[in-house]
Amino acid sequence: GNSVTQMEGPVTLSEEAFLTINCTYTATGYPSLFWYVQYPGEGLQLLLKATKADDKGSNKGFEATYRKETTSFHLEKGSVQVSDSAVYFCALSQEGAQKLVFGQGTRLTINP
Amino acid sequence: DVKVTQSSRYLVKRTGEKVFLECVQDMDHENMFWYRQDPGLGLRLIYFSYDVKMKEKGDIPEGYSVSREKKERFSLILESASTNQTSMYLCASSPTRVLKTQPQHFGDGTRLSIL
Repeated sequence: GNSVTQMEGPVTLSEEAFLTINCTYTATGYPSLFWYVQYPGEGLQLLLKATKADDKGSNKGFEATYRKETTSFHLEKGSVQVSDSAVYFCALSQEGAQKLVFGQGTRLTINP
Repeated sequence: DVKVTQSSRYLVKRTGEKVFLECVQDMDHENMFWYRQDPGLGLRLIYFSYDVKMKEKGDIPEGYSVSREKKERFSLILESASTNQTSMYLCASSPTRVLKTQPQHFGDGTRLSIL
């Protein structure tokens, strides 16, 4: 079946550091891929998405590229801020279904 | 912007009680979902609905039921609450069934404690 695996957290970085959160997936066909972010005390918000191979999603300085050859969708940001502290979820959706399959989430803490 | 509103942010109930969690969306979305979120397990789908009076089981439906009498409202029901149902519950909606590219829109969650 479909599955999403994220790097284990928690991840702690200093402000202005480079961020990578790894995400790999298992799916048949051509899923769409998403990154969601959950700030403390809130629900999930869509951060970015990519719907086909080699697409790059970007938002708020975050980027992720849909790599079909490595079945990956790693999240990157060049210079993190304290306000980026949150839990990040990678997810996929499959053709013909409206269900999302989520990874387990990665808690990110940015220290000033 | 889409707004998904969950009726309570925090709820404390007792074992054996019947518990109702309510969710309303304001964008005429066809799809609605209920998840539970537990540390280290991510989000797990409990039930979802493609249309009024329609429901489909998700990955962990045991101990739960749902009701969708109106398009904008999707209720999660714990028939007889147990302590292992203590969790964060998240409601979500998305526009239509057909397209895989549409994101889901989430409410702020209800943190439910069963004593």
